[in-house]
Amino acid sequence: GDSVTQMEGPVTLSEEAFLTINCTYTATGYPSLFWYVQYPGEGLQLLLKATKADDKGSNKGFEATYRKETTSFHLEKGSVQVSDSAVYFCASRRNQGGKLIFGQGTELSVKP
Amino acid sequence: DTEVTQTPKHLVMGMTNKKSLKCEQHMGHRAMYWYKQKAKKPPELMFVYSYEKLSINESVPSRFSPECPNSSLLNLHLHALQPEDSALYLCASSQAGTGGEKLFFGSGTQLSVL
Repeated sequence: GDSVTQMEGPVTLSEEAFLTINCTYTATGYPSLFWYVQYPGEGLQLLLKATKADDKGSNKGFEATYRKETTSFHLEKGSVQVSDSAVYFCASRRNQGGKLIFGQGTELSVKP
Repeated sequence: DTEVTQTPKHLVMGMTNKKSLKCEQHMGHRAMYWYKQKAKKPPELMFVYSYEKLSINESVPSRFSPECPNSSLLNLHLHALQPEDSALYLCASSQAGTGGEKLFFGSGTQLSVL
C-alpha cells in the first residue's frame, strides 16, 4: 500500500539555521504531496503542496519539490525562526481520492 | 470564512458517559472527516462523509458513532469509551473529497477518558 517516510525527530536548530526535513513516498501512480504543520495545541495547517512531478510548493519561506525520480518531497527553509517550532507532517494522496497518508511527523525545535 | 470550528476544546468523561463532539464549517465543503491523533503521532483517519453520506469507516469501534446532519455539520457521538480512547480528535473538511485538494483542519477536541 501507499506509505510516507519522514526523517525522525526531534530536530533542534539555532535561529537562522538551514532546515531540511526528508520525506519519501511509495505509491501506485503519481499522488499529490503535502506538507502540514501542527503548532502546539492546534490542529494541522497545510503548509504547501505539489500535485505533479517537478512542481515546487512554497509558502512562508518553506519550499519542497516533487521529485518523481527519487520519490521524494523534502522540506527546506533557508533561515528558521523560533516561531517555526512545530511538528511537520509529510503526506500523500492519490489524485483519484482516498485516504491522506501521513508520515510519522518530525518535531522541530528552534532555539534563539 | 476558512475555518473549521470544533467544540468543545477539552472534554473529560467517564467510561459510562455519553458525550458528543461537534464540528462546523461554512466553506461549502462537501467532504468532512474525523481523525484521531495521539501526542506527536500522525492523525489516524476514522470516518469520511461525502455529500452527507458515510463513505469511509476505518473499522472504528461502534462506541464511536458519526453523524452528518447537514453539509455544514459533523458530529461524533461517544459512548462507553475506554481510557485508550483518550486523544485529540480532529475534524477536517475539503471541497469534494478528491485527491489534490487540501484539507482544512479544526483545532481539535482534547478528550480524556477516566
